Amino acid sequence: ETGVTQSPTHLIKTRGQQVTLRCSSQSGHNTVSWYQQALGQGPQFIFQYYREEENGRGNFPPRFSGLQFPNYSSELNVNALELDDSALYLCASSRTRDGTEAFFGQGTRLTVV
Amino acid sequence: GESVGLHLPTLSVQEGDNSIINCAYSNSASDYFIWYKQESGKGPQFIIDIRSNMDKRQGQRVTVLLNKTVKHLSLQIAATQPGDSAVYFCAENMGPKTSYDKVIFGPGTSLSVIP
Repeated sequence: ETGVTQSPTHLIKTRGQQVTLRCSSQSGHNTVSWYQQALGQGPQFIFQYYREEENGRGNFPPRFSGLQFPNYSSELNVNALELDDSALYLCASSRTRDGTEAFFGQGTRLTVV
Repeated sequence: GESVGLHLPTLSVQEGDNSIINCAYSNSASDYFIWYKQESGKGPQFIIDIRSNMDKRQGQRVTVLLNKTVKHLSLQIAATQPGDSAVYFCAENMGPKTSYDKVIFGPGTSLSVIP
């Protein structure tokens, strides 16, 4: 167990809807990163938060947004869901600002129909 | 551009043999590399990492080798066990030198251990 928990574990949404995914970081970790993993592919970096501020962003449209809270838990929000958003969404927490020694949660499997 | 890729998408190994998983990277600015293991239905699990100022690092039954000259990374697993069956990802972290920090994953290699 990594101490990083994500909820929900599975989710089905309809195209056009909005979704919020949640991540609870490992104790003592102030950096959280979110990744999208399509079936059969490696995780793709979405963005990273350090102490409640966005610290970097990958090649994802603005309808992917996030938050990090004072207790370092985090949310990933996706608006106007598209079929291609169906994937495993992973969060990883780290105690270092550059995200090294990151530990992943088990992921949220999102299916958009 | 940036890319991290793997030479072999699938690998089958007899139990007890050694496994070698290879990875190529193209960004010479990367200074930190990580190997992850991902079992079905789970998130990636950290195995071992190495910084660019090293060429070899050993863990428990695993060794990572880094060849910066040819931009090549490998993961060696000694005495492979059935529990080692999983998808293995190499990843590079571009570190604080860039405007933001991120980890770039390769496409993964599926390791199957034959009992």
